[in-house]
Amino acid sequence: SAVISQKPSRDICQRGTSLTIQCQVDSQVTMMFWYRQQPGQSLTLIATANQGSEATYESGFVIDKFPISRPNLTFSTLTVSNMSPEDSSIYLCSATSGGSLAKNIQYFGAGTRLSVL
Amino acid sequence: QKEVEQNSGPLSVPEGAIASLNCTYSDRGSQSFFWYRQYSGKSPELIMSIYSNGDKEDGRFTAQLNKASQYVSLLIRDSQPSDSATYLCAVRFGGSYIPTFGRGTSLIVHP
Repeated sequence: SAVISQKPSRDICQRGTSLTIQCQVDSQVTMMFWYRQQPGQSLTLIATANQGSEATYESGFVIDKFPISRPNLTFSTLTVSNMSPEDSSIYLCSATSGGSLAKNIQYFGAGTRLSVL
Repeated sequence: QKEVEQNSGPLSVPEGAIASLNCTYSDRGSQSFFWYRQYSGKSPELIMSIYSNGDKEDGRFTAQLNKASQYVSLLIRDSQPSDSATYLCAVRFGGSYIPTFGRGTSLIVHP
């Protein structure tokens, strides 16, 4: 399994500002992801963080709004830019274990609870 | 559109009963199936994974997979109040690294 540390755990931000969330995994992992979870909703994938190259974004998410870095195999950041109240959500970092594709397990960080005023 | 469907609940069961959580999915070619538990304000944690038809047991938890009918279920025996949480079903559709999550079923176990 992988232990994922994510910070900050929560923040309250002003409209128009940006917040960078950090994610550190305790072992080298194959893939890292960023999810958003709005209250009462399931997990929505924002993007796959690729080491040393641009992240792969899901439909509805763009790099200008959610820039992502992954400089090495164990660390990634997600920035929420030019925030609005609609960005208030829980942001989760995730990573997959090694092994075959079919049996790849996803693990999650504790999440960052973001409130935008 | 590949989808994972769950009844949002809440499902309320008395302590000691069996809780049965169900999940259906749209892609017959799906390979991997997962159940996560998420306590309020916490991140999802993996409870069970299942890859082939039939039952898989781990302690009080049993995952059941029926690929022909495209459903996967989670049974929790001897339910405890500490089992009260949201249970997320996740399905990895064929060829994808990334599972699709259902909306989750809220389970309440009352004393």
